Amino acid sequence: QVKLQESGPGLVKPSETLSLTCTVSGGSISSFDWTWIRQAPGKGPEWIGHIGRKGNTNYNPALKSRVTLSLDTSKNLFSLILTSVTAADTAIYFCATDYNFFLNVWGQGTTVTVSS
Amino acid sequence: QSALTQPPSASGSPGQSVTISCTGTRSDVGGYNYVSWYQFHPGKAPTVIIYDVSKRPSGVPDRFSGSKSGNTASLIVSGLQAEDEADYYCTSYAGGNTYVFGTGTKITVL
Repeated sequence: QVKLQESGPGLVKPSETLSLTCTVSGGSISSFDWTWIRQAPGKGPEWIGHIGRKGNTNYNPALKSRVTLSLDTSKNLFSLILTSVTAADTAIYFCATDYNFFLNVWGQGTTVTVSS
Repeated sequence: QSALTQPPSASGSPGQSVTISCTGTRSDVGGYNYVSWYQFHPGKAPTVIIYDVSKRPSGVPDRFSGSKSGNTASLIVSGLQAEDEADYYCTSYAGGNTYVFGTGTKITVL
């Protein structure tokens, strides 16, 4: 069974760049497609973007100008970079497998706070 | 992309049934049979309980069922149990490898 673990800085200053990783165990990153989701306090989840097993990407139009997703097959992980963060980017960030139009396995999430 | 609309809350006594709606548009819920539902418990990894509108992953009790009519999908939880108390979110494929989530419904077991 694939397991996912998000990791990141926890606290990021406004205008800086957020970098998160999702480490995959129990399976190869080349065998699945992957998704990032975030949930701001008191709000519903927001789909951030998708990266296919071959590295093709699709992004939420609202975040597209600031988001980059990538794969690291040597470390079996995938990453999210979000630039020019503001307080509105404070959220729990989740990674998940994107399996035939649904999110089959999720990580537990990592909390990111944007504050000076 | 606009969030799919769900009622903020639903409740029922143990053994009763609750139904949660998820309303979108022809560009998402109405346009594809790719609605899925997720159960969120605080501090835990979310889990999928329904996919492709009405399919249940292995291990999900058959108390959970899903359906769709037009631009509205529904999750039905029959025979409510205490452990069903959680937040539930619908998601729909919205074309172009993009997805949209619902606003969420908290189920309370009275």
